[in-house]
Amino acid sequence: EAQVTQNPRYLITVTGKKLTVTCSQNMNHEYMSWYRQDPGLGLRQIYYSMNVEVTDKGDVPEGYKVSRKEKRNFPLILESPSPNQTSLYFCASSLRTGEWRIQYFGAGTRLSVL
Amino acid sequence: GENVEQHPSTLSVQEGDSAVIKCTYSDSASNYFPWYKQELGKRPQLIIDIRSNVGEKKDQRIAVTLNKTAKHFSLHITETQPEDSAVYFCAATNAGGTSYGKLTFGQGTILTVHP
Repeated sequence: EAQVTQNPRYLITVTGKKLTVTCSQNMNHEYMSWYRQDPGLGLRQIYYSMNVEVTDKGDVPEGYKVSRKEKRNFPLILESPSPNQTSLYFCASSLRTGEWRIQYFGAGTRLSVL
Repeated sequence: GENVEQHPSTLSVQEGDSAVIKCTYSDSASNYFPWYKQELGKRPQLIIDIRSNVGEKKDQRIAVTLNKTAKHFSLHITETQPEDSAVYFCAATNAGGTSYGKLTFGQGTILTVHP
């Protein structure tokens, strides 16, 4: 089954404690992206990657890191989480050719930073 | 960078009525405009999109129109049904070649369709 898998789905942590949210896709997609969703602000892109070892900043990259060492994985790293990073996070992936228009989203990760 | 404004933030209609959601964008280089639907507790899903070389696109009860000169695009849902109730997001990007990179979303519209 084609899917984008995020883990964990729910996470409660404390300020300053490094964490990683994993994202994996099994569709051989080149493009992957991370978004955060906050009420009234919609979806805001954090980082995106066009392929292995190619990443670029979205609209709200501050406080986040990403890496793309393998095509299927695109982890989101919060080195020192702060309460303003409490949010719902989505990972997404798509092809770069053919049906590239369709972004497949993961189920989301709800993060609370205390 | 790109800025996308979406209105209204909430929209309430009776079943069978039409619903219209409008978005404006700032970057004239943007050439691809997708719309996503997010049901409560679910992930966003693409429902329709339009490229800048097309003025209108229709898919059954939903349609999207684009006015490049005014830099705005709209989602039209006709004969609304309760299952259309969801949050709708517009987005804009400069899809160079075959893929987008930086994708900017609007703030979202909560559509409620009353039976």
